Amino acid sequence: DAGVIQSPRHEVTEMGQEVTLRCKPISGHDYLFWYRQTMMRGLELLIYFNNNVPIDDSGMPEDRFSAKMPNASFSTLKIQPSEPRDSAVYFCASSPSGRAAGELFFGEGSRLTVL
Amino acid sequence: DQQVKQNSPSLSVQEGRISILNCDYTNSMFDYFLWYKKYPAEGPTFLISISSIKDKNEDGRFTVFLNKSAKHLSLHIVPSQPGDSAVYFCAAPKGNQFYFGTGTSLTVIP
Repeated sequence: DAGVIQSPRHEVTEMGQEVTLRCKPISGHDYLFWYRQTMMRGLELLIYFNNNVPIDDSGMPEDRFSAKMPNASFSTLKIQPSEPRDSAVYFCASSPSGRAAGELFFGEGSRLTVL
Repeated sequence: DQQVKQNSPSLSVQEGRISILNCDYTNSMFDYFLWYKKYPAEGPTFLISISSIKDKNEDGRFTVFLNKSAKHLSLHIVPSQPGDSAVYFCAAPKGNQFYFGTGTSLTVIP
């Protein structure tokens, strides 16, 4: 079975450019999460979806960040315009239940560097 | 507001010895805890979990202990192996959200 697939694995861009990160969750999972990993804060939840609907985006740092899930098999996280402080590893994860009994299945992450 | 905390950013242990990774939490409503393991350039993967109705859960070389009164859990790895070198995150779900600690980087020295 394919796991959570993220692209690109690495992205280097210049400040002010638009960045789009992509995620394909595991088929049948109805929860999708976007996390950001930094040294200072560890894994931070940015936003999560249930059945393609955004449920909680309180972790999205600023209006420069937006996320969409147009269908059950695809989600995007967009940063426009990007800034150097956005440099981090961004993980997408999916879950079949999202409840405490469930666990998260992570993709391999997208490492973003903004120069 | 860090509801799950891992106060040791790193830990080094000799191969064959015990590794103990610690995690503290502030929210007494948490009723389930998970540990994830992360290798470089990979996503975190689930390792072991524990429900708040238990104080111990064991899976092979990995044991998680929960002390609810102290709001503390720990992961024990015995014996430690070089392949255990990774970053370990503890996590607690609340509703549909998962709260993660900042991680502890474990290095097992051959």
